[in-house]
Amino acid sequence: EAGVTQFPSHSVIEKGQTVTLRCDPISGHDNLYWYRRVMGKEIKFLLHFVKESKQDESGMPNNRFLAERTGGTYSTLKVQPAELEDSGVYFCASSQDIAGLGETQYFGPGTRLLVL
Amino acid sequence: SQKIEQNSEALNIQEGKTATLTCNYTNYSPAYLQWYRQDPGRGPVFLLLIRENEKEKRKERLKVTFDTTLKQSLFHITASQPADSATYLCALLSSGTYKYIFGTGTRLKVLA
Repeated sequence: EAGVTQFPSHSVIEKGQTVTLRCDPISGHDNLYWYRRVMGKEIKFLLHFVKESKQDESGMPNNRFLAERTGGTYSTLKVQPAELEDSGVYFCASSQDIAGLGETQYFGPGTRLLVL
Repeated sequence: SQKIEQNSEALNIQEGKTATLTCNYTNYSPAYLQWYRQDPGRGPVFLLLIRENEKEKRKERLKVTFDTTLKQSLFHITASQPADSATYLCALLSSGTYKYIFGTGTRLKVLA
């Protein structure tokens, strides 16, 4: 069974450009999460989808970040326009039931974003 | 505010010894606590979950304790091996939410 996949693995863009990250969860997992790790800091929650609905987007830094999950399968996270402080590793995770109720969440390998 | 502390310094131990990693938290009472392993360039991999009403959980060479009075979890790897070298993260369920708060992790190096 395939795990959580993320694309691209790396992205280097200039400040002001747009970048779209993609996450494909494990098949059948209704719950999808986005996290971010800025260098030297802890992994931080960004948002949580249940199927195509945003369950919790309290961790989204600002309105330059837009996450979608059309059809309840894969998800995209768009940063527009990117700023220097957006650099970091963006992780996606998925779980069958809600992780906050004790369900295991499975992480993807992450997308390393560098904004110059 | 809710805070998690893990020893940011790397822990070096000799192969065969028991590694003990610490996760301390303040200002809340999590219902669940998880431990993850993360290797360079990869995402975290779930290892164990312990609930607030559980004192201890074991899985093969791994053991997790959860002391809600001390607000601390200990993660033990017995008979450690060089392959256990990685960064270990603890994560706690944020009060009143379904989201997890992560510590910064502790890097473990097991020397052959």
